[in-house]
Amino acid sequence: RKEVEQDPGPFNVPEGATVAFNCTYSNSASQSFFWYRQDCRKEPKLLMSVYSSGNEDGRFTAQLNRASQYISLLIRDSKLSDSATYLCVVGGGKLIFGQGTELSVKP
Amino acid sequence: NAGVTQTPKFRILKIGQSMTLQCTQDMNHNYMYWYRQDPGMGLKLIYYSVGAGITDKGEVPNGYNVSRSTTEDFPLRLELAAPSQTSVYFCASSYRSISSYGYTFGSGTRLTVV
Repeated sequence: RKEVEQDPGPFNVPEGATVAFNCTYSNSASQSFFWYRQDCRKEPKLLMSVYSSGNEDGRFTAQLNRASQYISLLIRDSKLSDSATYLCVVGGGKLIFGQGTELSVKP
Repeated sequence: NAGVTQTPKFRILKIGQSMTLQCTQDMNHNYMYWYRQDPGMGLKLIYYSVGAGITDKGEVPNGYNVSRSTTEDFPLRLELAAPSQTSVYFCASSYRSISSYGYTFGSGTRLTVV
């Protein structure tokens, strides 16, 4: 079983759509959780940290379920500029990256 | 504020050659990391360092070596390059091992071994 596993992509959605990404992790001792965004094989950039209580940043909402070892990212009102690969990242000393889910937002 | 700087950005190596990928950070971060990313795959940890003079293996260390003589620099050495080492290499740093701010990444080195 992979340490961090994400929905296989790609996701192709129209502008304005709501899209959700799911991620599971295997190490129950993991302590930190993130979503990163990666554009066209450039360096990953932190999108948001994920907290147990759930957190929101504008159109982006992240949820963490420790009991199920599950993380999600919801993007509302998708923009063309949201097109990228989204990486689920889990840490407990070192960060372990999922394989990424590609999102393509079309006009 | 430069953050994490990687050089070179691109390199083509012949099989059996060696090279050093340079990584330097100016944020006084204790923790530094080297990842590789193959097409369609996530990042895999090669080596990491928790401070000057201390390094440890990650998930895929074979064929690589590192050193950490200063807080700022964390070079990655490839000896006897092989086609399987064709990849994009990212260096990253962080102030703590567990941080709400995640890691800061360099812009990457794209390496092709032919």
